[in-house]
Amino acid sequence: GAVVSQHPSRVICKSGTSVKIECRSLDFQATTMFWYRQFPKKSLMLMATSNEGSKATYEQGVEKDKFLINHASLTLSTLTVTSAHPEDSSFYICSAAGVNSYNEQFFGPGTRLTVL
Amino acid sequence: GQNIDQPTEMTATEGAIVQINCTYQTSGFNGLFWYQQHAGEAPTFLSYNVLDGLEEKGRFSSFLSRSKGYSYLLLKELQMKDSASYLCAVQDSNYQLIWGAGTKLIIKP
Repeated sequence: GAVVSQHPSRVICKSGTSVKIECRSLDFQATTMFWYRQFPKKSLMLMATSNEGSKATYEQGVEKDKFLINHASLTLSTLTVTSAHPEDSSFYICSAAGVNSYNEQFFGPGTRLTVL
Repeated sequence: GQNIDQPTEMTATEGAIVQINCTYQTSGFNGLFWYQQHAGEAPTFLSYNVLDGLEEKGRFSSFLSRSKGYSYLLLKELQMKDSASYLCAVQDSNYQLIWGAGTKLIIKP
C-alpha cells in the first residue's frame, strides 16, 4: 500500500514552454502533498506544501507564479513549470502524506526535467 | 536555525557493518526518518524513530537519542546494492521534514 506515482518520468522541453507534472496517490487519500526539487548530488529542497482544496504554501525563494501547484483532489496534485528556462532543469519529486498518524511521506518516483 | 548534519561520504567493505550518524537541531521534534536514495531515483523509506532506542528491521537498524539530538543508521552484512545515498530527515513541530544533505555510501568488494 501507500503507492505514489508521478507522470511523466522524463520530459524534455524548449525554453519558454510550460510543463505539467502529475503526482497521484494510488491507494490512499493524501491530505497533504509535497513538491521537492533536487539538484545533482544535493539533498531534497522543499518547494511547496499543498493541502487538498486550498492554496499551496511555498517555501521562501520559490516563485509561486512560476511553479503553479494545484491540489484539486485527495489523490492528485500537479506542478506546472511555466515559461521554463534551462536553469529549471532538475529532478522534481512529489510526496504524499495522510496514511498514518505520524504523517509519513511516501515518495513518487520523480520527474527528470530538461529544458533546452 | 534548523540543522541536520551527517557525513558526506563513507566507504565500507562488502559483508562488513557500517554506521551512519546524524545529528540534528530543529524547532520541535515529531520523529526521525532514514531514507535510501539510489542515483537518479526518488528516496525510499528505511526507518522511523520517534522514541529513544533501537529499531531493528532485517539488516538495517536505526537508533535515536532525543536528548542528544542524535541518530544512527546501522547496516549489517553489506551488499554491493547498498551503495547509495542515505538521507536523515527530522519531522519538526509542523510535521515538515528537514533534510540532511545525505551520506554517500560506497561499498567495495
